[in-house]
Amino acid sequence: DTAVSQTPKYLVTQMGNDKSIKCEQNLGHDTMYWYKQDSKKFLKIMFSYNNKELIINETVPNRFSPKSPDKAHLNLHINSLELGDSAVYFCASSQSPSAGITYEQYFGPGTRLTVT
Amino acid sequence: AQSVAQPEDQVNVAEGNPLTVKCTYSVSGNPYLFWYVQYPNRGLQFLLKYITGDNLVKGSYGFEAEFNKSQTSFHLKKPSALVSDSALYFCAVNGGGFKTIFGAGTRLFVKA
Repeated sequence: DTAVSQTPKYLVTQMGNDKSIKCEQNLGHDTMYWYKQDSKKFLKIMFSYNNKELIINETVPNRFSPKSPDKAHLNLHINSLELGDSAVYFCASSQSPSAGITYEQYFGPGTRLTVT
Repeated sequence: AQSVAQPEDQVNVAEGNPLTVKCTYSVSGNPYLFWYVQYPNRGLQFLLKYITGDNLVKGSYGFEAEFNKSQTSFHLKKPSALVSDSALYFCAVNGGGFKTIFGAGTRLFVKA
């Protein structure tokens, strides 16, 4: 019954490795997001997809590549991991903005990534 | 450009007392304003939103927020705080598109 789920919950890896985080939502939303929350709890948007199309691509290194195989899934692949990538990554979903109206977002439980 | 300011890193209040968590915003066009709460090791949970209409918005867990256009503020309030309200609270603003900007968060500590 989980609305937005992410796997894995914890991810510990070494510098230089490649890893993926998966996200699935069962809310029927068309829009999905990836956020990064740093150690000071700042929350910053990384990517947003609407109907599988990339809408927002913030100033994120090219090592980060999102992929949306369908509207219910948005995965995040990270190449050549660096120490500074250590953070909590949150997936979220919402109804698509419509007629200028924006809707609330539903967040997953987060994936805590630790790069050593 | 959109921005959100939460001027207080932490708010301390005694259980049973009213609480206020402050938020001011800047956005071109009509603002869509949100409050979210984050408990330890959890994702953010939606509390309430302002889209249009009444300036006083009621949300989950007895929280409410007051939209003030002239002061560009959207302060979160609760008449009587509970220890279980202790958490990290985020204000967020959206100008009507896909990008929502979150404030830095305010940690609420309710003492028994």
